[in-house]
Amino acid sequence: DSGVTQTPKHLITATGQRVTLRCSPRSGDLSVYWYQQSLDQGLQFLIQYYNGEERAKGNILERFSAQQFPDLHSELNLSSLELGDSALYFCASSGGLAGVDNEQFFGPGTRLTVL
Amino acid sequence: LAKTTQPISMDSYEGQEVNITCSHNNIATNDYITWYQQFPSQGPRFIIQGYKTKVTNEVASLFIPADRKSSTLSLPRVSLSDTAVYYCLVGDRGSSNTGKLIFGQGTTLQVKP
Repeated sequence: DSGVTQTPKHLITATGQRVTLRCSPRSGDLSVYWYQQSLDQGLQFLIQYYNGEERAKGNILERFSAQQFPDLHSELNLSSLELGDSALYFCASSGGLAGVDNEQFFGPGTRLTVL
Repeated sequence: LAKTTQPISMDSYEGQEVNITCSHNNIATNDYITWYQQFPSQGPRFIIQGYKTKVTNEVASLFIPADRKSSTLSLPRVSLSDTAVYYCLVGDRGSSNTGKLIFGQGTTLQVKP
């Protein structure tokens, strides 16, 4: 158990819909990262927040947005969903600012299926 | 932008040493190299991290040459439970310090009895 929790575990929805994925980091961790993992794209970094502020942006689509709240939990919002958005979405947390210099602890993931 | 390249798959037998190499062109001066292990339907798990030369912990060693354009994860005496996908991660700082993180495409290691 990494200490990072993600809800829901599974999510099935239809094209065009909007969903929200939730992540609670390990106690004391200030950084939260979101990743998308699909069979053809591998692990893709989406975005990082540090203590409530956006820190780094990766291959995140404009239809996707995220935020980190004062209690440090984070939400990833996916809108106008397309079939290609079906994937496993991971959240990770670390204690420090720079993702590459700190060990990241990954949650169990949310499996999103868009029908 | 940094780009990482790993072999897609490797096979080994129990008790052997396994070396997985990741090439990372354009790695920035301040970037660290990190390796993660992932089992099916689980999130990746940290294995080891290094900046240069050699790093060793209780489960693996990481070798990084002087030019830092590649790194090799070494797993001593693998067992069946080491069957997993292994990813290298480097930071994409570049000249603009974007903080973007680049994972390799992953190496599927199959350990046979």
